[in-house]
Amino acid sequence: SQQGEEDPQALSIQEGENATMNCSYKTSINNLQWYRQNSGRGLVHLILIRSNEREKHSGRLRVTLDTSKKSSSLLITASRAADTASYFCATDSNYQLIWGAGTKLIIKP
Amino acid sequence: NAGVTQTPKFQVLKTGQSMTLQCAQDMNHEYMSWYRQDPGMGLRLIHYSVGAGITDQGEVPNGYNVSRSTTEDFPLRLLSAAPSQTSVYFCASSTRQGTEAFFGQGTRLTVV
Repeated sequence: SQQGEEDPQALSIQEGENATMNCSYKTSINNLQWYRQNSGRGLVHLILIRSNEREKHSGRLRVTLDTSKKSSSLLITASRAADTASYFCATDSNYQLIWGAGTKLIIKP
Repeated sequence: NAGVTQTPKFQVLKTGQSMTLQCAQDMNHEYMSWYRQDPGMGLRLIHYSVGAGITDQGEVPNGYNVSRSTTEDFPLRLLSAAPSQTSVYFCASSTRQGTEAFFGQGTRLTVV
């Protein structure tokens, strides 16, 4: 069963713009993670935010977590062509990762 | 470090055939897992292992077997392939359950 649901399913923006994608989940969590998947490749871990954290930064990435709304957002600032990929959230609930269906991000030159 | 290595990258099977997908990691991770990824869906957990000699079922275990005789290796066996098992399979490892996962490059399996 899917825990996380990403929104939107697909997003197309111009290079240099910011991209925001959201993740909602259903049950209490220990942490929430974001991963990137380039076409046909394995997933790469981007950032982990714990349930007692509200915001976390890593380079051009900013993640927020609102446990009261059971939601998280991933912001990619100053997007680049290389950011074109699918982005997945995964929630750690009962020490297993449960995955959303992903947001497909396309950066147009 | 090689990280997580999966073989093969591509495989075509006939219905009823069996095969083993290989997964090896060199990071001394205790936790390893197998997922399948189908179009428009997130990863679904097939089987996982919290250490050598210990395995357990995930969300979609039917038709698959696993074993964990060493910390490094976690093979996935398809017992009698069915078209419904056409998917992309990913192996992942982490220091423990729920922490940052490291993924292999995937095996694209087609069952005809």
